[in-house]
Amino acid sequence: QKEVEQNSGPLSVPEGAIASLNCTYSDRGSQSFFWYRQYSGKSPELIMSIYSNGDKEDGRFTAQLNKASQYVSLLIRDSQPSDSATYLCAVKRNAGNNRKLIWGLGTSLAVNP
Amino acid sequence: DAGVTQSPTHLIKTRGQHVTLRCSPISGHKSVSWYQQVLGQGPQFIFQYYEKEERGRGNFPDRFSARQFPNYSSELNVNALLLGDSALYLCASSLGAGPYNEQFFGPGTRLTVL
Repeated sequence: QKEVEQNSGPLSVPEGAIASLNCTYSDRGSQSFFWYRQYSGKSPELIMSIYSNGDKEDGRFTAQLNKASQYVSLLIRDSQPSDSATYLCAVKRNAGNNRKLIWGLGTSLAVNP
Repeated sequence: DAGVTQSPTHLIKTRGQHVTLRCSPISGHKSVSWYQQVLGQGPQFIFQYYEKEERGRGNFPDRFSARQFPNYSSELNVNALLLGDSALYLCASSLGAGPYNEQFFGPGTRLTVL
C-alpha cells in the first residue's frame, strides 16, 4: 500500500461544476495535510493546509479531513478552465528527526468550457 | 515580497559530472527542503535543513548532499551524475521544520543528464 494515494484521473468536469479530489494515507501518525496545484512544467503551488478533522474553506476551495478514515479531500466550487492542473496531496508526520512531506502522485483535473 | 528563488533554471550535464543547485528562501524563513520530481510523479523528499542543521534525509544515495548557510540559503550538490538524475529539482522554504509549517516552492531547476 502506498503511503499517500490519489486517483490519477483525469477527472473531467464542466465549467461551473464542483470538482472533488480525494486522497487517502496509510500512517495514522500523520499530523498535517496539504493540497498543492501544479501546472504542467511549473512547480507546486500551495492551495490549502488542514490539521484538524472537519472542513476548512478558503474562497472556492474546501478541504475536508477525516483522520479516523485516513482520508482528506479537496472540493473546488464553480470550477474554471484555469483550475485545469494536477492536484497533489501531501502528508506530513513529525517522526523524530525525519520530518518530511510524503506526496501522492497527483490527480489531473480538466475543466471543460 | 520575493518568493523562493532557485538557480539555475535549466542545466545540462553529462554523466559523471557534478552539479550544484542553489536556493534562496523567502525572507524570514529558516527552513529549506529539497525535492526531486520526475515526470508524472509526485516530488520525492531529498533533504530538509533548519537553522543550518540537517533535519531530515530521504532515500537518496550519498552522491546527494546539501548544506544551509548562515543567511538560510541552501545548496544541493549531486556528484557522479547518472542519466536517472534527470528531473526537476525543487526547493521549498518554510518558517520552521515542524509538521504545521507550510512549504512554499521555488520555480525549480530542470536538470538534464546526457
